Amino acid sequence: EDKVVQSPLSLVVHEGDTVTLNCSYEVTNFRSLLWYKQEKKAPTFLFMLTSSGIEKKSGRLSSILDKKELFSILNITATQTGDSAVYLCAVEAWGGNKLVFGAGTILRVKS
Amino acid sequence: DGGITQSPKYLFRKEGQNVTLSCEQNLNHDAMYWYRQDPGQGLRLIYYSQIVNDFQKGDIAEGYSVSREKKESFPLTVTSAQKNPTAFYLCASSTPGEWNEKLFFGSGTQLSVL
Repeated sequence: EDKVVQSPLSLVVHEGDTVTLNCSYEVTNFRSLLWYKQEKKAPTFLFMLTSSGIEKKSGRLSSILDKKELFSILNITATQTGDSAVYLCAVEAWGGNKLVFGAGTILRVKS
Repeated sequence: DGGITQSPKYLFRKEGQNVTLSCEQNLNHDAMYWYRQDPGQGLRLIYYSQIVNDFQKGDIAEGYSVSREKKESFPLTVTSAQKNPTAFYLCASSTPGEWNEKLFFGSGTQLSVL
């Protein structure tokens, strides 16, 4: 059974800190790994990763995938209070038509 | 503006009652999905539909039913057979071929049992 495990479950940091969120997975016929940010209600797409070692970057957020060790990390540098959210990791398998989600990491950034 | 609209935002169910959650999209997306989110757990797929008049069970379909009579609409009924319905329900839609990157979510419905 496909599985996604995120850690830590929750995290509290101060503005300006750098955080690293982890996502490990087990999936048959891996196709892609996705990160979403869920503020309040609707998750919004951050990154899709398909190849090992290639960093995806968007402003202060970056993510990388290790297909050998079956994990991904999401880094946020110089955190701001607006980064407070639940960060969801999901994986997709070839031939599948759904995403398998992890439980999410709750990030709270204090001013 | 294009998007997905879920209603109501909050819904209360009495014992033995069926309730229906609405999901409407004007993005012209073929595929639509229903997820359930419980505290401390990830999103779990209830049902999905890739085309009008067709839908498939997800991982936790028991106690739920759906219909897809129109491209824009994918309502979810929580039946009395669902013994633990309290959760946050998210609807999503996508365009086939781009579906994972272009998965758009609605703002959700919080369902509680009275």
